Amino acid sequence: NAGVMQNPRHLVRRRGQEARLRCSPVKGHSHVYWYRQLPEEGLKFMVYLQKENIIDESGMPKERFSAEFPKEGPSILRIQQVVRGDSAAYFCASSLGLLNTEAFFGQGTRLTVV
Amino acid sequence: QQQVKQSPQSLIVQKGGISIINCAYENTAFDYFPWYQQFPGKGPALLIAIRPDVSEKKEGRFTISFNKSAKQFSLHIMDSQPGDSATYFCAANGETSGSRLTFGEGTQLTVNP
Repeated sequence: NAGVMQNPRHLVRRRGQEARLRCSPVKGHSHVYWYRQLPEEGLKFMVYLQKENIIDESGMPKERFSAEFPKEGPSILRIQQVVRGDSAAYFCASSLGLLNTEAFFGQGTRLTVV
Repeated sequence: QQQVKQSPQSLIVQKGGISIINCAYENTAFDYFPWYQQFPGKGPALLIAIRPDVSEKKEGRFTISFNKSAKQFSLHIMDSQPGDSATYFCAANGETSGSRLTFGEGTQLTVNP
């Protein structure tokens, strides 16, 4: 009964490098959400995806950030040319997509930009 | 209008006491209000949730009180235990936001033995 699996758990990148964060949803879930959590802050919505579609990316920075959820394989959050301010915990959640159903969260990927 | 405001930022309670965390929202389209519990280094986990057709929901030691007219809801943890020490987030979503959640800023609860 695997939950949401995120990897890597920890990622260190130098400024200017690319970061790729992966998320495998709960089996049977076709809706994925990415949230960012800065230290001592709450979770901020970034993007909502269904298989092969971006439904809502209103919380995602317009530049350097992109997300995908292909027909096969995990969802990917990609951050190009990382900067120190990108250091945060990135959480993925999945759900059945029905209104007001529970979203299950992964353990997160902690990105550190040095 | 999408904000959810949470207080207090931190809370220290003695073992056996009652922990109370409050949240207020602005968007009247919100109709689902979950509380999440997060331990250090872990992802948030759903604790309890309520819909506005009821004013209170209780699950074990955890109770949500909901005041629709005031647009406020709160989490009460009865007989607080050291194992309850964690960060608690209230959240909300509604028909216009699908399953996307708007979170409060979090409350760091410490229960002293």
